[in-house]
Amino acid sequence: GAGVSQTPSNKVTEKGKYVELRCDPISGHTALYWYRQSLGQGPEFLIYFQGTGAADDSGLPNDRFFAVRPEGSVSTLKIQRTERGDSAVYLCASRGERDFTPGQGARETQYFGPGTRLLVL
Amino acid sequence: GENVEQHPSTLSVQEGDSAVIKCTYSDSASNYFPWYKQELGKRPQLIIDIRSNVGEKKDQRIAVTLNKTAKHFSLHITETQPEDSAVYFCAATSQTGFQKLVFGTGTRLLVSP
Repeated sequence: GAGVSQTPSNKVTEKGKYVELRCDPISGHTALYWYRQSLGQGPEFLIYFQGTGAADDSGLPNDRFFAVRPEGSVSTLKIQRTERGDSAVYLCASRGERDFTPGQGARETQYFGPGTRLLVL
Repeated sequence: GENVEQHPSTLSVQEGDSAVIKCTYSDSASNYFPWYKQELGKRPQLIIDIRSNVGEKKDQRIAVTLNKTAKHFSLHITETQPEDSAVYFCAATSQTGFQKLVFGTGTRLLVSP
């Protein structure tokens, strides 16, 4: 089946503008994550959805960042009043729920999308 | 929270040599350790993972070892090929953190023909 897709692939905006980044997870995957990857760094966690609800938003840097997943599938990351420091690649990942054995760790993989490269001028 | 350190930051080898990348983690509750390969401008792709109930896992030329006591894990690539050239990231996650991945800073591997 199709993998995780993200649109747009590139976004150039001006400081102070509002942007929306979209993620289409693998069909049937209930867990969805957003990460941000700055140049030369590993991805950093932003927010995690289980179904429609944001189960963990501890990685969002400030209240300019917000994400939704209203129907438990597609997710949108929204950034208000963009700043130059927001420039990065925003990655989405999804994970399916399979057999889970407590104490033995989760048995699923996070599949990443190609990312949206955001440039704030 | 979890902290993952990764070394070296760059690694250059000749084709056919072995490459080893090492990571340490801080949270003893972490129990899943994936390795991702990321080519320039591409998405991270899982190449191998290991869970805390095993000490070693192999998949053809790639192997991962885990030392829970020392809280470190390593990626081993044998018989390297030019197409192995990429940035490799280790990561760690815990059930208690909804499996959010904490990544290392990456290792740029260059395999010269």
